Amino acid sequence: AQTVTQSQPEMSVQEAETVTLSCTYDTSESDYYLFWYKQPPSRQMILVIRQEAYKQQNATENRFSVNFQKAAKSFSLKISDSQLGDAAMYFCAHTPYNFNKFYFGSGTKLNVKP
Amino acid sequence: KAGVTQTPRYLIKTRGQQVTLSCSPISGHRSVSWYQQTPGQGLQFLFEYFSETQRNKGNFPGRFSGRQFSNSRSEMNVSTLELGDSALYLCASSLPGVGAKNIQYFGAGTRLSVL
Repeated sequence: AQTVTQSQPEMSVQEAETVTLSCTYDTSESDYYLFWYKQPPSRQMILVIRQEAYKQQNATENRFSVNFQKAAKSFSLKISDSQLGDAAMYFCAHTPYNFNKFYFGSGTKLNVKP
Repeated sequence: KAGVTQTPRYLIKTRGQQVTLSCSPISGHRSVSWYQQTPGQGLQFLFEYFSETQRNKGNFPGRFSGRQFSNSRSEMNVSTLELGDSALYLCASSLPGVGAKNIQYFGAGTRLSVL
């Protein structure tokens, strides 16, 4: 079964601090991609960061980084120096390497306090 | 470059009617995927079209169908609407192939309300 679990429905962080969002997944595929998408109130899903499962090095994009643990099937997102504009729903997702069929988690709502 | 465009943004229908949603992908993108987003079920994959052919399919009843045109624009149709079809329908486009690294770019969605 292809599933993605985000165990934190909602989280809060103070502006300028660091927060980590958790994600675990299950897949029978050996090659796959993992993603974090952000969905602000405008509804448009925006790609935050992407990780190729065959790469051991954790992906980073400016203030966003991941902790990818392939054996544990864990893919957490760390947001450093949180900004008010980071407030949104965050979705973890994976897709098999050769398919465009995304499996999404239920999302984590991130609140950023000024 | 223009992003993924979905029309209309909002739609209100009654039970039993049918509805057609439209998605124009980013120029050059040939793969279009559709998702249903509801508070209870989250984001669920409906289907993916590539080169006018359905390439992948999720677990939705046959009332949900789609098609893709030669210019890669896609439409999704839902027949005999049910109250449970009320949702945000998202379209995403991507370049095909392994080299494109499967990044999907999403539109802002169509909010469908079934009364």
